[in-house]
Amino acid sequence: DVKVTQSSRYLVKRTGEKVFLECVQDMDHENMFWYRQDPGLGLRLIYFSYDVKMKEKGDIPEGYSVSREKKERFSLILESASTNQTSMYLCASSLRQGVGGYTFGSGTRLTVV
Amino acid sequence: ILNVEQSPQSLHVQEGDSTNFTCSFPSSNFYALHWYRWETAKSPEALFVMTLNGDEKKKGRISATLNTKEGYSYLYIKGSQPEDSATYLCAFANMYSGGGADGLTFGKGTHLIIQP
Repeated sequence: DVKVTQSSRYLVKRTGEKVFLECVQDMDHENMFWYRQDPGLGLRLIYFSYDVKMKEKGDIPEGYSVSREKKERFSLILESASTNQTSMYLCASSLRQGVGGYTFGSGTRLTVV
Repeated sequence: ILNVEQSPQSLHVQEGDSTNFTCSFPSSNFYALHWYRWETAKSPEALFVMTLNGDEKKKGRISATLNTKEGYSYLYIKGSQPEDSATYLCAFANMYSGGGADGLTFGKGTHLIIQP
């Protein structure tokens, strides 16, 4: 069964901490994405990557960075966590041009206190 | 930023009834329209990826239609069952987003509750 695995289901971090959210896919997909989901706002794209070491900003990149050192792994980094980054974070992957749709991880619910 | 609208926001349906809901998207520069089902505590699951005007796709009791000229898609569920309770998301890819390689624009979803 193909999978996108996010390392943590729930995380609680303190304001100002550096936070790493990890995502691994086993489908040899080229594209990987980080979204956040907030009530009433839907899924919003933070960053995406279409190849190793490549990264592109999405709609809301401020306060975040990413790393893709290997094809299967895409990490989201909160440089200095703030309370407005409390959210559900979803990782997804796809073949080029989104063929077949996205495969999502189960999400990480991050609370920044 | 592209605008993708879904209606209604939430929907209560009796078990056994059929239902449908709408996704509206920009009609220009269309590339693909995706539908996902997102059950509580699970990952969003791809239902359909539709690319051609007039496309109709079916998966069991769920089907979807696509009108790219007027910018809307309908999702239909026939004979609703409790396991259909979920949030249904549509997502739009335009020609300038690498067909979805640069990310999809999601609607806010329709939250469907099937009442026994």
